[in-house]
Formats: sequence, structure tokens, C-alpha cells
Amino acid sequence: GAGVSQSPSNKVTEKGKDVELRCDPISGHTALYWYRQSLGQGLEFLIYFQGNSAPDKSGLPSDRFSAERTGGSVSTLTIQRTQQEDSAVYLCASSPKGLYRETQYFGPGTRLLVL
Amino acid sequence: GNSVTQMEGPVTLSEEAFLTINCTYTATGYPSLFWYVQYPGEGLQLLLKATKADDKGSNKGFEATYRKETTSFHLEKGSVQVSDSAVYFCALIHSGGSNYKLTFGKGTLLTVNP
Repeated sequence: GAGVSQSPSNKVTEKGKDVELRCDPISGHTALYWYRQSLGQGLEFLIYFQGNSAPDKSGLPSDRFSAERTGGSVSTLTIQRTQQEDSAVYLCASSPKGLYRETQYFGPGTRLLVL
Repeated sequence: GNSVTQMEGPVTLSEEAFLTINCTYTATGYPSLFWYVQYPGEGLQLLLKATKADDKGSNKGFEATYRKETTSFHLEKGSVQVSDSAVYFCALIHSGGSNYKLTFGKGTLLTVNP
């Protein structure tokens, strides 16, 4: 079946602009995760969704970052007033129920470059 | 806090060589341990996992054993192929609160030459 998809695959933006990154999880997966992969910080957890609610937003680096999920499916990560340090690959993952030890399935990522 | 330390790369091997990538962890309780692989231009894929002490995860000729006494989960393969060239990440999920959050090591780039 189809895996996790993300769009766009690449995004170049100017400092100060807002960007939206989209994630389409595997059908039927209730748990959805966003991670960020950057040269300096490695792979970092950003946010976790169970259904449409986000019980853990602890990894969001600032209040410029927000995310939502609608219909228990597609999620959007929004970065407002982008800064150069936001340049990274943003990865989305999903898992069936968000249970401990479940495998998380990752999408190909969105590569964001802030000029 | 929880953390994962894996050997610095890059690692360069000839085809059919033996591979070891070291991984050690710090975590409370009884974490689950994972190896993910990222092939060039692709997303992260689960390679193998182990959920309790002394478990051995294996896939595609790769193996790793969960050693609680040494807090380690070293990745091994007896004979690497050019197609194994990728970045390998060791990761854990701990057993306490937030037991859905993967904590990753910094990754090890493996290049296998023919």
C-alpha cells in the first residue's frame, strides 16, 4: 500500500516568509509525528498527534512553529516568519496506534532552505 | 535524559567486508531499540528493532543484540554490499512517559566500494 507522503519535496523561501509543509500518513494510522533533521542538531522530535489532537508539542522550537491535523489524516506544519536556522529536512512519520514499541514509518521529507 | 551515542563516521569498506557500527544508549527503564537506515535520496526506513534485553533484531543480513549490561545495540553484518551504502541511525524509545518519541543518534555514513 501507499506509504507516508510529504509535499513539497523541496521548498526555498526568503527569510520572514511563512511556509506550510504537508504530510499524508498511511491510511488508518492514528498516530502521526513530525521530526526535523538538520546538520547541527541531528534528528529531533517536534510534535506528536493522536487522532486530531496533539498531546505533545514539546519539541516545537519556538512559537513560530505550529501544526494541525484534520480528519485524523493529513497534517500541516506551519512555520511563520522563517529564519535561516529553520533550514532543515522536515520528516513526517505515522504508526498504527501510537503504542509503545510500534514501528514509525517515515515519509521522504521536505527539504526547506531559508535564504 | 535519554540519549544515543553512535560511532562517528564516515565508514568506508570494501565489498564483502565485515561491518560493525557501535551504538550505546542512556535511558531510564527499559527502552526499545531501533536501527533505521536512510538510503541516498530516500526517507528513513526501519532496518531492525529489539524490544527487550537479549533480544536480537535481524533483517537483510544485519543483526543487533540488545545488551542491557553494556547498554549497547551494535549493528553488524558479515558481508556488506555496495547497495548497503547509506546513513545508519541508532534510536530508542523509552518505556516511561512520552513512550512514542524516538531519540536518535547522529547517524553513521557507510560507503561500500566495489
